[in-house]
Amino acid sequence: EAQVTQNPRYLITVTGKKLTVTCSQNMNHEYMSWYRQDPGLGLRQIYYSMNVEVTDKGDVPEGYKVSRKEKRNFPLILESPSPNQTSLYFCASQGQSYEQYFGPGTRLTVT
Amino acid sequence: KQEVTQIPAALSVPEGENLVLNCSFTDSAIYNLQWFRQDPGKGLTSLLLIQSSQREQTSGRLNASLDKSSGRSTLYIAASQPGDSATYLCAVNGNQFYFGTGTSLTVIP
Repeated sequence: EAQVTQNPRYLITVTGKKLTVTCSQNMNHEYMSWYRQDPGLGLRQIYYSMNVEVTDKGDVPEGYKVSRKEKRNFPLILESPSPNQTSLYFCASQGQSYEQYFGPGTRLTVT
Repeated sequence: KQEVTQIPAALSVPEGENLVLNCSFTDSAIYNLQWFRQDPGKGLTSLLLIQSSQREQTSGRLNASLDKSSGRSTLYIAASQPGDSATYLCAVNGNQFYFGTGTSLTVIP
């Protein structure tokens, strides 16, 4: 089944404790991206990657890192999480049809 | 910077009614526009994708149109059903994706 998976689905952590949210797709898509969704602000793109070893900042990259060492994986790294990074995070991938496929989301709470 | 606006923010209609959701964007230099559905606490499900060279796309009871020059798209839902209740999001694609804040639709049985 074609899908985008994210782990963990729920995460509660404390300020400053490094964390990684994994994202994997099995559709051989070149384009992958990360979003955060906040009430009243909608979905905002954090980082995107057009191919392996190619990443670019989206609208809200501050406080986040990404890497794209393999085509299927695109982890999101928060080196020193802060409470303002509490949000719902989505990973997505896009193939040559330009249609985006989204993962189920990761709800992150930073206390 | 691209700005995407969706009107109305919320809509409540009786079952069986036809309805139109609106999406507008400020920069017409887009590759495509995509409509999504999001159920509470869930991810996004793609409904329709319109390439920049296209005027409309149809899938079942859904029809989406795109007028790139005026920066507008509409999603038409025919014969609405309670199962259509969800938030509908539009997104425009340059190299980056920009989303509207969505229209929350409630279809009353």
